[in-house]
Amino acid sequence: DQQVKQNSPSLSVQEGRISILNCDYTNSMFDYFLWYKKYPAEGPTFLISISSIKDKNEDGRFTVFLNKSAKHLSLHIVPSQPGDSAVYFCAASGSGGGADGLTFGKGTHLIIQP
Amino acid sequence: DGGITQSPKYLFRKEGQNVTLSCEQNLNHDAMYWYRQDPGQGLRLIYYSQIVNDFQKGDIAEGYSVSREKKESFPLTVTSAQKNPTAFYLCASSIDATSGYNEQFFGPGTRLTVL
Repeated sequence: DQQVKQNSPSLSVQEGRISILNCDYTNSMFDYFLWYKKYPAEGPTFLISISSIKDKNEDGRFTVFLNKSAKHLSLHIVPSQPGDSAVYFCAASGSGGGADGLTFGKGTHLIIQP
Repeated sequence: DGGITQSPKYLFRKEGQNVTLSCEQNLNHDAMYWYRQDPGQGLRLIYYSQIVNDFQKGDIAEGYSVSREKKESFPLTVTSAQKNPTAFYLCASSIDATSGYNEQFFGPGTRLTVL
């Protein structure tokens, strides 16, 4: 059973617009959530994280929102740029910081169109 | 220039052979992790180590073994018992496994192909 779900395998957004990537989770013990960006044949790059005591975290063009009651988080990228085209993974941990590893979703392929 | 290195980038193995993937970090991180990624899938945790000389099984440890004799090194051996070893293997590390919320930093990966 998949504990972290990214239901959109791909998403196409016009350059300059907002990209919204969604992630749902089923394990109520998760208390730390992260977003990673990945290019083919490379390791994932950390983007932004949020702990369960917050509902929003912002870093430049990237904002993550957490709705604990709905077990849902989203990553907003605004404005979207061509270099944002990549696969985005949502990840979660229930050990108070990721000490025992992260549980990943299957990823969403974001395509930024000129 | 700190970071995580994995070698080799591409590895070919004959069926029935064991193979060891290297992972080294000079970030002075306590914790290290091994994940595998299959096409269209997320990353799945194989093994992790929170401290030298200690490691724990992840979700898919069968057919794999690890060691953590030094803080900076966490090699992964893919044994002949692993039924589907062809995959992209990623090593990661984080500062401190026991305090606070720490993101994991990933190496560039090793693509293993079994012929």
